[in-house]
This record gives sequence, C-alpha cells and structure tokens, in this order.
Amino acid sequence: AQRVTQPEKLLSVFKGAPVELKCNYSYSGSPELFWYVQYSRQRLQLLLRHISRESIKGFTADLNKGETSFHLKKPFAQEEDSAMYYCALSTWGAQKLVFGQGTRLTINP
Amino acid sequence: GAVVSQHPSWVICKSGTSVKIECRSLDFQATTMFWYRQFPKQSLMLMATSNEGSKATYEQGVEKDKFLINHASLTLSTLTVTSAHPEDSSFYICSARAEGLAGVYEQYFGPGTRLTVT
Repeated sequence: AQRVTQPEKLLSVFKGAPVELKCNYSYSGSPELFWYVQYSRQRLQLLLRHISRESIKGFTADLNKGETSFHLKKPFAQEEDSAMYYCALSTWGAQKLVFGQGTRLTINP
Repeated sequence: GAVVSQHPSWVICKSGTSVKIECRSLDFQATTMFWYRQFPKQSLMLMATSNEGSKATYEQGVEKDKFLINHASLTLSTLTVTSAHPEDSSFYICSARAEGLAGVYEQYFGPGTRLTVT
C-alpha cells in the first residue's frame, strides 16, 4: 500500500530564512509525487509535481528514490508562503492521490 | 480555467436524513472525479473514485450504500450521504481529473462542503 509521511505538523521560520518541508513515501513501484498548498480560506491547489521539475513561487522539490523522499524547499521564505502544505502520491496519471498529514508553515515577519 | 465548484458550501441536517452534495467541473469535462473526506486538523482521505457512466470505486472501509455516488455527466458528480449520523459530520471535498497546461493530468479541487449532522 502507498503511504506518505510528513513528519512535521507545524513549521515556523522567519522571513528570509530557508524552508524545507519534509515528505517521505512508501511505494514499491514508480510513483508520481506532488506538493499541494492550501492558503487560508482557499481550496487545495497544486504547487508542483516531480515530473515537471520546475520551480513554482520559488519552491523546488526533488524526488530521491533512494531515500524515498520528496522534500519541498525554498531558499528565502516570504510571509505569503504561510499555508498548509500537503505532499501526495499517485501511482500514475494523477489517479487516486494519497495525501500526507500536512505541514502548517508559518512565516514570521 | 479548470474550476471545480461544490454545492452547497455548508449544510446542516438532522440525524437520519439524507443530504446530497454536488461537484461540478465548470469549464472542462471530467471523466473521473474523486471524493475526499477531511476531519478537523487531519489530512484528506480518498473515499471513492467516480467514473462517468459507470459505478464508483470505493476505498476500503467506505460504505457504498451509505455514500452514494452518481457521475451522470462529464461535468457533474454527486455524493449523497444517506441516513446521516453525527459521525458523518465532516468536510467533503471533490476533485476532477483533467489534462493540465503541460499536457499531463492533474486533479483540480473544489472548495469543499462542510456537513454537520445534528
């Protein structure tokens, strides 16, 4: 069975500091990994996915199959990054997403 | 583009009654929609996969006779919570799967429906 683990429920950093949200997964096949973000009073939206290998709003994430990780990173946090972040896994084609527990990121001024 | 709506946004019903939640893809067609449930301060749990024109596929532990799903068209899926009980109170979120700008599929999420059963 697929499983996604986000070890930190809460993460607080100061503006301008680097941010890393951890995500580990378990899946025997080749997964698709995603990061979703939910800003206050907004719906869940896709932030980035590993197959795109792109940077969105300064965030990047690299799939490390050896460590089964897909950590989300940003070198300089901004206050508008404060939100709930979910790591998710799909077996293929964005079907049946399995979500981690989520990390609430707070950026302090 | 790729907007998903849900109706109602919140609903209160009495124990024993049924309530229907609609999920619509507003500007695209979705052969596949998904229904999730989210308890307070917890993550989203997939309940079922809704396929247009066929029966929904339910996740293990989800009662299909209690949570009726109908995907009657390419833009509408409905979730009916039958004989609701207070433990069914939760936040229900739908998503629709569609091809994104980059030519790869992704899920677009609705705003959610808050169900409170009294």
